[in-house]
Amino acid sequence: DAGITQSPRHKVTETGTPVTLRCHQTENHRYMYWYRQDPGHGLRLIHYSYGVKDTDKGEVSDGYSVSRSKTEDFLLTLESATSSQTSVYFCAISEARGQKVNTEAFFGQGTRLTVV
Amino acid sequence: RKEVEQDPGPFNVPEGATVAFNCTYSNSASQSFFWYRQDCRKEPKLLMSVYSSGNEDGRFTAQLNRASQYISLLIRDSKLSDSATYLCVVNESGFNKFYFGSGTKLNVKP
Repeated sequence: DAGITQSPRHKVTETGTPVTLRCHQTENHRYMYWYRQDPGHGLRLIHYSYGVKDTDKGEVSDGYSVSRSKTEDFLLTLESATSSQTSVYFCAISEARGQKVNTEAFFGQGTRLTVV
Repeated sequence: RKEVEQDPGPFNVPEGATVAFNCTYSNSASQSFFWYRQDCRKEPKLLMSVYSSGNEDGRFTAQLNRASQYISLLIRDSKLSDSATYLCVVNESGFNKFYFGSGTKLNVKP
């Protein structure tokens, strides 16, 4: 299994509080991603990173920010949690080999976040 | 319009049956294609990559039709352990972004 660790694995927080989720990899992969998974929507990309300090928005980025200060860590922050951000959050990593051929994504075990 | 569309199912099949899943994608510039498997409350895991010429891995066969922007997965001789949700995944080159279908749920019954 790819070396990806998400923390915490479970969290319950109150509306309006800040929350930070951490993704740590030991594979030295260039690309890192944060997805959320909700019933009926599948996996939706929140933010991704294509290198240290290089990040970009995904399709559901509102209310989220990210930081990547070193290759192995990608942090997802909910500045002020809302009930609509109750979800399962997955981190993923990937490494591109060459211009056209991309390798698969490997996933962490997920963080189950409940905002009450 | 979603990038990747799949029939959510569920597909309820008996052991030993052959079952096929399909998926369509909207971006003709997509470069890489995959099928992932996700068990309940677990992370998605790669089942197989999908190549233009089609590829097989044991009981699983994947096909890609670039002209129709269509991907398929065929499972032969279904096992109880095949019960899971199957995710169709498309990757666009350049930014290396992965787009996921909502998944197709398979239930294999004894």
